[in-house]
Amino acid sequence: EIVMTQSPATLSVSPGERATLSCRASQIVSINLAWYQQKPGQAPRLLLYGASTRATGIPARFSGSGSGTEFTLTISSLQSEDFAVYYCQQYYNWPQTFGQGTKLEIK
Amino acid sequence: QLQLQESGPGLVKPSETLSLTCTVSGGSITNSSYYWGWIRQPPGKGLEWIGNIYYSGSTHYKPSLESRVTISVDTSKDQFSLKLSSVTAADTAMYYCASDSRVIAFGGGPFDYWGQGTLVTVSS
Repeated sequence: EIVMTQSPATLSVSPGERATLSCRASQIVSINLAWYQQKPGQAPRLLLYGASTRATGIPARFSGSGSGTEFTLTISSLQSEDFAVYYCQQYYNWPQTFGQGTKLEIK
Repeated sequence: QLQLQESGPGLVKPSETLSLTCTVSGGSITNSSYYWGWIRQPPGKGLEWIGNIYYSGSTHYKPSLESRVTISVDTSKDQFSLKLSSVTAADTAMYYCASDSRVIAFGGGPFDYWGQGTLVTVSS
């Protein structure tokens, strides 16, 4: 099973600033990685897949990079609605696995 | 646009079987090359993938749950279902159904549509 490790567990950033979240895979997953955003009381929402392709309707301030085992989600200028928990997921191989999440909070 | 809705008992007794159904609307469960999946989230914790079923009926399960899990499709009702047997308190979680419309890798693809989730509590 591929283990996904996200860092940091909690990230405190001021509105308008840039946030950088990391995700590391225990094995190579190529670019078969997705990022999700989850707000309290809501289902997760797909942000990015293929490591860097934005899903439908996702603002351009969300970008992703990386391949192999190291991945990054960058939010270029944080808006109030961006404070949430973010998860990465690999679908390179079965079983699919999620990271433990990074909570992005207001500084 | 695809919509998914979970349904089933919110309370299950220990050692019994948890049964949930996901109803798909806005598209047919068999007319597209989709994976249909179940994901759960214990209170205050992260997401855990349970398993997927392909539109053709082939399945993939999380290894640690595989002996207790069955995912099936009812094409006549545009529904897919989750059964988890011999539940314990550790199975208490929000259960989500979701769809993977891309299937872009050997291990499937990202979940692009999600249900709102249903909370299942295991307690006597």
